[in-house]
Amino acid sequence: GAGVSQTPSNKVTEKGKDVELRCDPISGHTALYWYRQSLGQGLEFLIYFQGNSAPDKSGLPSDRFSAERTGGSVSTLTIQRTQQEDSAVYLCASSLGGGTGRRKLFFGSGTQLSVL
Amino acid sequence: GESVGLHLPTLSVQEGDNSIINCAYSNSASDYFIWYKQESGKGPQFIIDIRSNMDKRQGQRVTVLLNKTVKHLSLQIAATQPGDSAVYFCAEDGFGNEKLTFGTGTRLTIIP
Repeated sequence: GAGVSQTPSNKVTEKGKDVELRCDPISGHTALYWYRQSLGQGLEFLIYFQGNSAPDKSGLPSDRFSAERTGGSVSTLTIQRTQQEDSAVYLCASSLGGGTGRRKLFFGSGTQLSVL
Repeated sequence: GESVGLHLPTLSVQEGDNSIINCAYSNSASDYFIWYKQESGKGPQFIIDIRSNMDKRQGQRVTVLLNKTVKHLSLQIAATQPGDSAVYFCAEDGFGNEKLTFGTGTRLTIIP
């Protein structure tokens, strides 16, 4: 079956513009995550969706960042008024969720965001 | 939250030799750990996982060791191949909320 799909793979934008990044998780996965990876760095948690529960937004760096997940499937990460420091790879992951044996995250290839 | 750290940022190993990548974690409540491999331009790929009720787990050419006493995790790769060159991340779930915390990563280079 298909893995986690992220679009676009690359996005170049001007400072101050808004961007939307899309993630299609693996079918049947109830948990969806967004992480950010700056050049040569580890993965920084942004937000986590699990089923119909309220999302864990504790990792969002500012109120310019938001995400939603429609119908328990596709998710969109929106960055408003982009800044140069937002430049990074944005990774989406999904998992079966719901317990210790179901926490294995499957990652997409990421969206490389460049803010000029 | 507590962070996961790695002892070495880079590691070079001769092809065919075994490699060991280390990871220190600080949250004694962590009950699940994962190793990921990330090749250039790709997302992290699952390698192997281990629960805190285990000390060792083996996969194909890879072994993960967990020492809860000193809060240390290691990934052993046997008979390394050029395709093993990548950045390796350890991650922990220390809060029971299914939110993994990742370390900075170790870049493994296999020398032909």
